[in-house]
Amino acid sequence: QVQLQESGPGLVQPSQTLSLTCSVSGGSISSGNFYWNWIRQPAGKGLEWIGRIHANGSTNFNPSLKSRVTISVDTSNTQFSLELSSVTAADTAVYYCARDLRSAYCGGDCYFDAFAFWGQGTVLTVSS
Amino acid sequence: DIQMTQSPSSLSASVGDRVTITCQASQDISNYLNWYQQKPGKAPKLLIYDASNLETGVPSRFSGSGSGTDFTFAISSLQPEDIATYYCQQYDSLPTFGQGTRLEIK
Repeated sequence: QVQLQESGPGLVQPSQTLSLTCSVSGGSISSGNFYWNWIRQPAGKGLEWIGRIHANGSTNFNPSLKSRVTISVDTSNTQFSLELSSVTAADTAVYYCARDLRSAYCGGDCYFDAFAFWGQGTVLTVSS
Repeated sequence: DIQMTQSPSSLSASVGDRVTITCQASQDISNYLNWYQQKPGKAPKLLIYDASNLETGVPSRFSGSGSGTDFTFAISSLQPEDIATYYCQQYDSLPTFGQGTRLEIK
């Protein structure tokens, strides 16, 4: 059974770049044809999808964040990362990584899916 | 973006009650709709995918129905461990979530 665990600095100063990592166990990122996602949740609020990456490097992003987001896969293929630049207090949230339920299915574009496996979440606070 | 509107935003029910939550999409999303349960301090858990399919290991008292723009999530007999916030999520295009329904025991 695949397991995911997020890690990060906990506190980032405004205007800086936040960097989070999701460690995958129970299988490597490249061992399956799945998309790997980042999702966030401000305290007491709802869920916002940030973006996703496939082992082949293909990415999609939420248009509201696209200009500030980078998602990459580590060469070990057991970690993927999120970078969010120019952070403000509005980026304070619990950040989750998650894996799609099913193998990627692509026509012209690759379809989205349910999020079946989640990390426990990491709290990130933007404050000086 | 496709907007997802859940109702009610909060709900109080008794153990053994049937509970229903609705989710309306701002445009036709076929059956590309999932339901999640989130308990305080925990990550969301997938319960229902493709509008009506029960995820492996999820109790059969949970169910989902609907297609197009209108969807329903139901718990046939509410149990104390079902206290949580429930979210719908569409994936017809870039994923978006409903605002959540907080379920409490009466």
